Amino acid sequence: AQSVTQLGSHVSVSEGALVLLRCNYSSSVPPYLFWYVQYPNQGLQLLLKYTSAATLVKGINGFEAEFKKSETSFHLTKPSAHMRDAAEYFCAVTDQAGTALIFGKGTTLSVSS
Amino acid sequence: DTAVSQTPKYLVTQMGNDKSIKCEQNLGHDTMYWYKQDSKKFLKIMFSYNNKELIINETVPNRFSPKSPDKAHLNLHINSLELGDSAVYFCASSDIRNTGELFFGEGSRLTVL
Repeated sequence: AQSVTQLGSHVSVSEGALVLLRCNYSSSVPPYLFWYVQYPNQGLQLLLKYTSAATLVKGINGFEAEFKKSETSFHLTKPSAHMRDAAEYFCAVTDQAGTALIFGKGTTLSVSS
Repeated sequence: DTAVSQTPKYLVTQMGNDKSIKCEQNLGHDTMYWYKQDSKKFLKIMFSYNNKELIINETVPNRFSPKSPDKAHLNLHINSLELGDSAVYFCASSDIRNTGELFFGEGSRLTVL
């Protein structure tokens, strides 16, 4: 069965520092992978997605992620954190039938000045 | 125009009551979903409809009953509310023939007292 594991439920960085949020997936078929962001009291917004094209995927707000099949990973990075990046981040994979997304447990990103 | 809209945004009610949450999407998608986000922010799929037909029905108490009058609307009715039903309920839609990307509403926060 498809699943994703997000390592680290809480990541804290200083403004301007590198952001690295980890996601590993388990999939019996070539996966579609996603990163979503949730700001307080809001819905989820798509940051970026991997759909078997380029392995390095660029998203909104300066985020990017690299699909590494050998490591079954899809880590999210941003070179320089901003205060406005503080939010909850979710990694997701399509289920085996391709009919829904299965989400990881989320990582809370805190950014300090 | 909001792509996926849910009402109400906040709902506070007593145990044992019956309540409904409504969702509408104007993206022309053929598939709609209900996800539940618990207090630990974990997102779990509850139901999915494709062109008004139920395609995903996870292990959810039968007090929860979704209804899709047309492919642009998906409502959630909950009978005999319990304390454990307190959560944020998210509606989402997607074009199932595409990559499976979900578009989320802003959520409906249900508090059962």
